[in-house]
Amino acid sequence: KQEVTQIPAALSVPEGENLVLNCSFTDSAIYNLQWFRQDPGKGLTSLLLIQSSQREQTSGRLNASLDKSSGRSTLYIAASQPGDSATYLCAAIYAGGTSYGKLTFGQGTILTVHP
Amino acid sequence: GAVVSQHPSRVICKSGTSVKIECRSLDFQATTMFWYRQFPKQSLMLMATSNEGSKATYEQGVEKDKFLINHASLTLSTLTVTSAHPEDSSFYICSARPPSPGQGRWRPYGYTFGSGTRLTVV
Repeated sequence: KQEVTQIPAALSVPEGENLVLNCSFTDSAIYNLQWFRQDPGKGLTSLLLIQSSQREQTSGRLNASLDKSSGRSTLYIAASQPGDSATYLCAAIYAGGTSYGKLTFGQGTILTVHP
Repeated sequence: GAVVSQHPSRVICKSGTSVKIECRSLDFQATTMFWYRQFPKQSLMLMATSNEGSKATYEQGVEKDKFLINHASLTLSTLTVTSAHPEDSSFYICSARPPSPGQGRWRPYGYTFGSGTRLTVV
């Protein structure tokens, strides 16, 4: 069974801190991994997409890494700001069999950045 | 680019009625769209995969007669919750996968999500 786990479930940090969100997946045969942000009552905003052939992607203050062999991905947020407060979701994308093209989501990490 | 529009954003209906939710890809064609359901403080659960011009593929445990999916064009998929009951109250989100530029065969690209629909059945 393909499962995605995110740790921690919640994180509260003061503004300015660098932080790391963790995502692990049980099936290393992923095709891509995508990180999303969800604000309360809203849809998902794509942050970064890492293809299986890549090890990391960067966008502004965000950096996501992917290690297929260990089944892990991390999202690094530099110099956190109160506007970064949201739920962060990682999703594994598989290319084979009945999981073709589907996203398997983790439970999310609720991030609160206080001034 | 790669925008998915979902309507309505919020709907309240009486028990026993039906509700239709629309998901449109605005600037790309989507042969495949996905419908998710999200309960409070929980992650997204895939309900079904909507395929243009063919029947939707439902996940295990999802009632196909209750959640009717129609994907009649390359830019529109609809989810109809039939004979809604209070337990159907939830947040429904659609997703589509834009094609990679210049790519003819399927290739995973960043998935784009709609803004979601909050359904409340009273």
